[in-house]
Amino acid sequence: EDQVTQSPEALRLQEGESSSLNCSYTVSGLRGLFWYRQDPGKGPEFLFTLYSAGEEKEKERLKATLTKKESFLHITAPKPEDSATYLCAVQEEGANSKLTFGKGITLSVRP
Amino acid sequence: NAGVTQTPKFQVLKTGQSMTLQCAQDMNHNSMYWYRQDPGMGLRLIYYSASEGTTDKGEVPNGYNVSRLNKREFSLRLESAAPSQTSVYFCASSDHRGSTDTQYFGPGTRLTVL
Repeated sequence: EDQVTQSPEALRLQEGESSSLNCSYTVSGLRGLFWYRQDPGKGPEFLFTLYSAGEEKEKERLKATLTKKESFLHITAPKPEDSATYLCAVQEEGANSKLTFGKGITLSVRP
Repeated sequence: NAGVTQTPKFQVLKTGQSMTLQCAQDMNHNSMYWYRQDPGMGLRLIYYSASEGTTDKGEVPNGYNVSRLNKREFSLRLESAAPSQTSVYFCASSDHRGSTDTQYFGPGTRLTVL
C-alpha cells in the first residue's frame, strides 16, 4: 500500500480557473509534508514544508494546507507558467531525513 | 552558490558497462541522497548518507554502490549496467531546519542502458 497518494494524476485547467491538487498520506507519525514543483527535464524545486494539521503556507498563486490525513495545494487563478508536475513527499518520525514521494500530479494550464 | 550539481547530464551505456555519477553540493549540508525517477513510479531512494563517513541503503539499492568522498561529494556507481537501470537519477542534499530536513535537488542525469 502506497504511503503517499496524489490525485488526480493529471489536471488541465484554463488560465484563471482555480483548482486544488490532493496528497493523501498514511504514516504513523508525520514529521513534515513537503511540496515540490518539477519542470520537464529539471530537478524538483522546493515549495513548502508543512508540519502540523491546520497549518497553511502561501507563495504567489499557491497555497498549501494540511490535515491529519491529507494536504491540498490550492492554485488560484493559474497562469500557463504554473504548468509543471507537483510532487508531494512525507517525512516520518524516526526515519532520519528520508522522504517518501507520491507519483506526482501533472498540471497543464492553457492560455 | 551553485547548489547541487551533477555530472554528466546525459549518458548512454551498453549492458555490462560501468560508470560513476558524480554529485557535489556547496551548501555545507550534512546529508546527501541518490534517487531514481521512472515514469509512473515517482522518486525512489537508492542510497543516502546522513553524514560524512556514513552511507545507508534506501528503497532500491540493488545494482548500485555509493561513496561519500567528503562532505561536499557523493557518488553513485553502477558496476555492471542493466537495461532496468535506464532512468533519470537525482542527487539531493539536506539541511536541518526546526524539526525537519528540507532536501534540495540537482538537475539530474539521464541514463540510458542499451
